[in-house]
Amino acid sequence: SAVISQKPSRDICQRGTSLTIQCQVDSQVTMMFWYRQQPGQSLTLIATANQGSEATYESGFVIDKFPISRPNLTFSTLTVSNMSPEDSSIYLCSDTSGLGGRETQYFGPGTRLLVL
Amino acid sequence: KQEVTQIPAALSVPEGENLVLNCSFTDSAIYNLQWFRQDPGKGLTSLLLIQSSQREQTSGRLNASLDKSSGRSTLYIAASQPGDSATYLCAVRPVDSSYKLIFGSGTRLLVRP
Repeated sequence: SAVISQKPSRDICQRGTSLTIQCQVDSQVTMMFWYRQQPGQSLTLIATANQGSEATYESGFVIDKFPISRPNLTFSTLTVSNMSPEDSSIYLCSDTSGLGGRETQYFGPGTRLLVL
Repeated sequence: KQEVTQIPAALSVPEGENLVLNCSFTDSAIYNLQWFRQDPGKGLTSLLLIQSSQREQTSGRLNASLDKSSGRSTLYIAASQPGDSATYLCAVRPVDSSYKLIFGSGTRLLVRP
């Protein structure tokens, strides 16, 4: 399985600012994903980061709020724009390894964001 | 719309007990089901993956079963240890998704020494 790292591991930000989270995988992967975990809740998929094209966003998430880059097969960034306290969450990136129903998703350690 | 439910939401047991965590899903059209462990403030660790054609998977003291027709999976932990204390999440990959996982809300497990 690929090893996934994220930066920063945590941050405290002011309302109205933006934060870019980086995700690095130690091998080339086709699929990368960004999830959000709000306090006390489970994970919700924000978007699929596609290499060489725009990200595919889930219902309720938009590019203006969560712009995503995927410049190559090992790296992606998620920006949380114009932050409000409601954006306080853990943000996790993940990738998929395997084929044919055996795909296992592996997750990075997460970025804990607190917006004041 | 696929929904995943985990019961109980929290569980506290003495060390050494065998325990079962439950996961149910509303739509049986899935590619696979995955169990994860999440330690406080940390990311997710994949424990077991069961393909839709499989009935169970085992790894050490963990055994996960899948009954796709009834929309249920269980995670059995044998001889629990304090180090097993964590939140356990199950997630399904629907057949109509592009690798998207639908997560349950998790079971918070505390194993008391």
